[in-house]
Amino acid sequence: AQSVAQPEDQVNVAEGNPLTVKCTYSVSGNPYLFWYVQYPNRGLQFLLKYITGDNLVKGSYGFEAEFNKSQTSFHLKKPSALVSDSALYFCAVRDMTSNTGKLIFGQGTTLQVKP
Amino acid sequence: GAVVSQHPSWVICKSGTSVKIECRSLDFQATTMFWYRQFPKQSLMLMATSNEGSKATYEQGVEKDKFLINHASLTLSTLTVTSAHPEDSSFYICSAPKSASTSYNEQFFGPGTRLTVL
Repeated sequence: AQSVAQPEDQVNVAEGNPLTVKCTYSVSGNPYLFWYVQYPNRGLQFLLKYITGDNLVKGSYGFEAEFNKSQTSFHLKKPSALVSDSALYFCAVRDMTSNTGKLIFGQGTTLQVKP
Repeated sequence: GAVVSQHPSWVICKSGTSVKIECRSLDFQATTMFWYRQFPKQSLMLMATSNEGSKATYEQGVEKDKFLINHASLTLSTLTVTSAHPEDSSFYICSAPKSASTSYNEQFFGPGTRLTVL
């Protein structure tokens, strides 16, 4: 079965420090991977995606993610965290059994950046 | 980017009434829209895929007679929660891929609708 796992419910980091939010996936074939961010009582905002090409993908707000096929991971990273980065982060993978572009979401990781 | 709006942003209703939530793609056409439900501090649960001009496809366990979906045009999908009960209280979010080619394009999400059933 296809799935996405975010092993950490919450990640705490001090402002200015690097951050990593972890994501692993399980799909058949080549994955299409996405990261979204959600602020309180808001919809999801797209951060970045990996479809093919370079394993390091750069996205919005200084975020990047590294696709690692051997470890089936797609961890989200940022070199220097901001307090405003505090939010709920979702990793998602395209459901390859569907032709509608349906996404499978991880359970979400709350990022807390402290001043 | 592309913009998806939802209306209303929040609604409070009495148990037994029906509530309609609209999802609009403002600057692009969407043949497909997705409806999600999200409980506090939890992930998004896909409820159904809305298809313009045809019936919606519901996920397993979602009651199609309770959650009526209509995709009347290329820019509008509606979700009607019929005979709402307190357990239907939740945050409902819609999304749409921008391109007709949905295989790898990111989805654009509406801001969500907070439904509270008393």
